[in-house]
Amino acid sequence: LAKTTQPISMDSYEGQEVNITCSHNNIATNDYITWYQQFPSQGPRFIIQGYKTKVTNEVASLFIPADRKSSTLSLPRVSLSDTAVYYCLVGDRRNTNAGKSTFGDGTTLTVKP
Amino acid sequence: DTGVSQDPRHKITKRGQNVTFRCDPISEHNRLYWYRQTLGQGPEFLTYFQNEAQLEKSRLLSDRFSAERPKGSFSTLEIQRTEQGDSAMYLCASSETTDTQYFGPGTRLTVL
Repeated sequence: LAKTTQPISMDSYEGQEVNITCSHNNIATNDYITWYQQFPSQGPRFIIQGYKTKVTNEVASLFIPADRKSSTLSLPRVSLSDTAVYYCLVGDRRNTNAGKSTFGDGTTLTVKP
Repeated sequence: DTGVSQDPRHKITKRGQNVTFRCDPISEHNRLYWYRQTLGQGPEFLTYFQNEAQLEKSRLLSDRFSAERPKGSFSTLEIQRTEQGDSAMYLCASSETTDTQYFGPGTRLTVL
C-alpha cells in the first residue's frame, strides 16, 4: 500500500480557499486517491476520489498532476464548520485487499473567524 | 437514508470484562470493515468481510478480538478480557465491492 504524507495541521480564515497537499511517491498504476473528512466523535466521511487530472464535486476539487505522486484537495471558501481532520488515502479499488486502507494521521484544519 | 449504524455508541467497562459491538451496514453493501481509532491518530484497519467471509485481519487483531458477520449482513466485534489499552473508538464501514467506504458513528470504548 502506498504511504501518504500530509501536513499535520493548517490554519485558515473563513471565506478563504484551502489547499491541502498529500504526497504519495509510491502510488501504483491501479491506485486511486480518496479524501475523507472527520469531525470529533464521528466516523470519517467521504469527500472526493480521483485517478488523474481534476475532479470536482459540490464540496471540493481534487487536483492530481500527471506523475500522480501527489494530490491537492481544494476547499473553496471555507467556513467554521469545515474545521476537521482531512485524510488522504491511496489504494487499488480493484484489489481484493482494498479493505486494508491506510489512513495516516491526517491534516487538522482549523478555520478561524 | 439508512447509513451505517453502530451500537452502542458508548461503552464503559472494567478491565477483564468482555464487550461486544454491533455494526449494521448499508443494506446493499457486501463489504464491511472494522477500524480502531485512538485520540490524535487516524483509523487503523482491523479486519474486513466480503459477505460473510472474513478476508483480511490485521496484526492488531489479537487473539482476544473476534469478528463475525454470520449472514453477510450485520457484524459483531467482540473483545475478550478487555485491557486499558483497548480504550478507543471502534469504527465500522461498509462499501459495495471496491467502492467508497461509508463509516458509522463509531463505538467509544472506555476500559477502567
